[in-house]
Amino acid sequence: GIQVEQSPPDLILQEGANSTLRCNFSDSVNNLQWFHQNPWGQLINLFYIPSGTKQNGRLSATTVATERYSLLYISSSQTTDSGVYFCAVLSGTYKYIFGTGTRLKVLA
Amino acid sequence: NAGVTQTPKFQVLKTGQSMTLQCAQDMNHNSMYWYRQDPGMGLRLIYYSASEGTTDKGEVPNGYNVSRLNKREFSLRLESAAPSQTSVYFCASSASGAGNTIYFGEGSWLTVV
Repeated sequence: GIQVEQSPPDLILQEGANSTLRCNFSDSVNNLQWFHQNPWGQLINLFYIPSGTKQNGRLSATTVATERYSLLYISSSQTTDSGVYFCAVLSGTYKYIFGTGTRLKVLA
Repeated sequence: NAGVTQTPKFQVLKTGQSMTLQCAQDMNHNSMYWYRQDPGMGLRLIYYSASEGTTDKGEVPNGYNVSRLNKREFSLRLESAAPSQTSVYFCASSASGAGNTIYFGEGSWLTVV
């Protein structure tokens, strides 16, 4: 089945710094999503981005489907950005496969 | 708008006990899912239901059963709980088709002692 890998596994930033998180996938996909899991465990949808670029405030994401990767950019990071960031791809019609996540800690 | 609601939020079980996790969604979604998340890991699919009346195994189905009670509700049952099933369980739902977003409940923390 399709494999999803995320890097880096862990990231520590000072507040105000920028970062780039990467998601590689092993096969073509027609659905890719980014999630933020906050310290309380809630999974929050950030982007639905099977291709192209989207921006939402300080966050933006780019997916290059032909090269099988997606990037999540966080600018001017804040402590509230801490948590785990997951990408998930749709395998077939119904199965969402998740990467192992990037654990981000933003220090004040 | 409640979205995806799952209960209970916390549960402690003894080895060998049974329990059912309940999940309901109010978004009229066709597809529903159960995932488990172990410490430091991503989410792994246990079972999914593409539409009312159908269920299929995911990556880690052993030790679990599911029931798609109706379009809104999808339950997960542990018949004989084992310590290896200690995990956080997430229910999710989505509309059918590739162009849709998956939405998650808040999670159920299960400990088997």
